[in-house]
Amino acid sequence: GEDVEQSLFLSVREGDSSVINCTYTDSSSTYLYWYKQEPGAGLQLLTYIFSNMDMKQDQRLTVLLNKKDKHLSLRIADTQTGDSAIYFCAEIPSNNDYKLSFGAGTTVTVRA
Amino acid sequence: DAMVIQNPRYQVTQFGKPVTLSCSQTLNHNVMYWYQQKSSQAPKLLFHYYDKDFNNEADTPDNFQSRRPNTSFCFLDIRSPGLGDAAMYLCATSRVSGTGNTEAFFGQGTRLTVV
Repeated sequence: GEDVEQSLFLSVREGDSSVINCTYTDSSSTYLYWYKQEPGAGLQLLTYIFSNMDMKQDQRLTVLLNKKDKHLSLRIADTQTGDSAIYFCAEIPSNNDYKLSFGAGTTVTVRA
Repeated sequence: DAMVIQNPRYQVTQFGKPVTLSCSQTLNHNVMYWYQQKSSQAPKLLFHYYDKDFNNEADTPDNFQSRRPNTSFCFLDIRSPGLGDAAMYLCATSRVSGTGNTEAFFGQGTRLTVV
């Protein structure tokens, strides 16, 4: 995961917004993804963004992409206890067509 | 309905005893992947099948093998599990074509314990 970096922990109060940040190194990445992993479970795709987009919104989720800074963020509005999980940022680097490269994951803890 | 199914969810095996994990998919995706995930770490790609073509990652130990008898099924074989192989094993699928790639869908994982 050295090509994709994330902060490891985030604590947020229930009802507040969460913002999870990610930086990547490959400026030619075509797709960037956010996955959610709950304890003991597999990875659930939350959303993804094409590299020619700046923003994508899907209900409570907003993805922002800053290609110049190679920065990707995921904003979760009105964070709920069910949002407590590990969130992985992933990219498909340009040196391969389809294999995901993951960050180390951000553990989000929602407190009452 | 589950689209990528892994069995079993939990597997306990003895040190050195061969073990097989299975994965099936109902998506008819042409690519199937096996990832190893250790505690508090990112998933690490072990290998993948692009149709029938097997692609091994350079740093995947020889102890790990895979079989894909048909489009729907893929198996991970660990020939001689060591204590360091205890991990969550994740199967994923995606459809890859000349016009682009769909997102990867993951199974629920198999948690392997080596005793």
